[in-house]
Amino acid sequence: ETGVTQTPRHLVMGMTNKKSLKCEQHLGHNAMYWYKQSAKKPLELMFVYSLEERVENNSVPSRFSPECPNSSHLFLHLHTLQPEDSALYLCASSQSGLATHEQYFGPGTRLTVT
Amino acid sequence: LAKTTQPISMDSYEGQEVNITCSHNNIATNDYITWYQQFPSQGPRFIIQGYKTKVTNEVASLFIPADRKSSTLSLPRVSLSDTAVYYCLVGYNFNKFYFGSGTKLNVKP
Repeated sequence: ETGVTQTPRHLVMGMTNKKSLKCEQHLGHNAMYWYKQSAKKPLELMFVYSLEERVENNSVPSRFSPECPNSSHLFLHLHTLQPEDSALYLCASSQSGLATHEQYFGPGTRLTVT
Repeated sequence: LAKTTQPISMDSYEGQEVNITCSHNNIATNDYITWYQQFPSQGPRFIIQGYKTKVTNEVASLFIPADRKSSTLSLPRVSLSDTAVYYCLVGYNFNKFYFGSGTKLNVKP
């Protein structure tokens, strides 16, 4: 499989549940990202990992916990979410964190918090 | 953080050339200008990137004036499948990219 894959594609969870989103890139890239896209809102950058180290955390609530065990995998652990966290969560990767290297996005996970 | 201003929406017809202009008055010396395309419920897809003057690839052209305070994405002979949201981004590092609301292009038959 090529490109950036995300699982699951759809997820419904209650506010007390714990779940994880998975992202995998098969491009040999060194940087990976989590974005959140809510209805009628701009795409928001949540976390950036470069060479498996977190380099950016844009004031994201602690109920979102990222994990990057290696350069090919990125997880977003979710716990005690709120209904307003319902959104499309997108993973992306790039050769480096520099804008001269294009970002490749996965198809996203559509999350619904009930 | 160089923010951008784009029209919220544009309409066009199949076969026409579409030009979407983006303003980025506080662009920094090291910043690149990048355009992405996004279809509903999908991740954005890279279209084109430039630093100055003109860049052309198989899907689009990017025009950047000398002062770099704006840029124009040109899509030649659009089709219905070009209906999407187009984002203009300015930056040097991805952790400083700001996607904004983008321009929703609606191509009509």
